[in-house]
Amino acid sequence: AQTVTQSQPEMSVQEAETVTLSCTYDTSESNYYLFWYKQPPSRQMILVIRQEAYKQQNATENRFSVNFQKAAKSFSLKISDSQLGDTAMYFCAFMKHAGTYKYIFGTGTRLKVLA
Amino acid sequence: DVKVTQSSRYLVKRTGEKVFLECVQDMDHENMFWYRQDPGLGLRLIYFSYDVKMKEKGDIPEGYSVSREKKERFSLILESASTNQTSMYLCASSSTGQHVNEQFFGPGTRLTVL
Repeated sequence: AQTVTQSQPEMSVQEAETVTLSCTYDTSESNYYLFWYKQPPSRQMILVIRQEAYKQQNATENRFSVNFQKAAKSFSLKISDSQLGDTAMYFCAFMKHAGTYKYIFGTGTRLKVLA
Repeated sequence: DVKVTQSSRYLVKRTGEKVFLECVQDMDHENMFWYRQDPGLGLRLIYFSYDVKMKEKGDIPEGYSVSREKKERFSLILESASTNQTSMYLCASSSTGQHVNEQFFGPGTRLTVL
């Protein structure tokens, strides 16, 4: 069975600094999707970034980028130039490529951006 | 924009009551999901539906049932609420189409069972 581990329950970062959130996963699948979702306080969860396992290139979305290490089964999220609006819970999620649309979520990292 | 709405943001019920949580999406998505979110445990899948009248158990289905009579609506039912079902409940939907795999979430229902 697949598992997703986020080992940092809480983190903080100064505004304008860079922070990296860790995620590791365990799977025997060769092709799959990985996601980072953001849940701001009292607001809806939204997709930040996604990575397809067969793509070598790391995904980027503006200030958000990932470091995808397939062999190490690691999928970290880097937030550059942190902003106060980045304060949120961040969840890493795994989905098998074929046969299911279900996710397996990690336990989340609570990120606080300090002014 | 995809919109997923949930019938209540906050709900307080008594032990033993039957509880209905409703979720509606407006983007004609095939897949709908119910999760439970608890601190330190992340999101855990309760039930999943990939079509009208179709359902599949998730990781923690005990004590819950679901209903999907129309494509846009997915209901979560607590047959006899218990205090250990106090939690945040999130609904999500996704398409099997072009933007495959992204899940769109509702605002959540915080349920307290007394």
